[in-house]
Amino acid sequence: GQSLEQPSEVTAVEGAIVQINCTYQTSGFYGLSWYQQHDGGAPTFLSYNGLDGLEETGRFSSFLSRSDSYGYLLLQELQMKDSASYFCAPLNRDDKIIFGKGTRLHILP
Amino acid sequence: DGGITQSPKYLFRKEGQNVTLSCEQNLNHDAMYWYRQDPGQGLRLIYYSQIVNDFQKGDIAEGYSVSREKKESFPLTVTSAQKNPTAFYLCASSMSVVGYTFGSGTRLTVV
Repeated sequence: GQSLEQPSEVTAVEGAIVQINCTYQTSGFYGLSWYQQHDGGAPTFLSYNGLDGLEETGRFSSFLSRSDSYGYLLLQELQMKDSASYFCAPLNRDDKIIFGKGTRLHILP
Repeated sequence: DGGITQSPKYLFRKEGQNVTLSCEQNLNHDAMYWYRQDPGQGLRLIYYSQIVNDFQKGDIAEGYSVSREKKESFPLTVTSAQKNPTAFYLCASSMSVVGYTFGSGTRLTVV
């Protein structure tokens, strides 16, 4: 079977750093993507990890450990506009992306 | 500008009616997908198509139908067999599986 776990909600302060963890279980794992979705909006692609290690894109970084079936999204210098839901999305051999329930990030001023 | 367009943005349906949601992309992407999102929930895959004239059922295909007659278009029909159709419907396309481009969604309400 397949499973996906990430925290339902995370709260952080503006200007701080926050890490959103993701553990997954899926057959034929290829890589891990991250998406951001603001309320009422469409998900937008943030990053992809096909190999172990850290990928950095501006204030956002994403990490993957295949041996641990674990990844995380790191957001630095948090801004109010980062308040959104974040989805980790494993890709499997069927070329389908699996979306979980996401993590709702609340930013406090 | 290239993109993916969903219409209408809001749709109201009476019980027992079929409705069709439009999804058009000019990104020249081969693959297209339909997802359903319920409040506070993640995205669940309804149907997907990796090539013209071919499509596969996703996790919750019952009560839905699709067609893929053109590369640019992937309409979704919500039939009367779908017992709980009120939801936010998202269409996506991709050239590779690394990153999907999503449309802005259609919010369907049964009245």
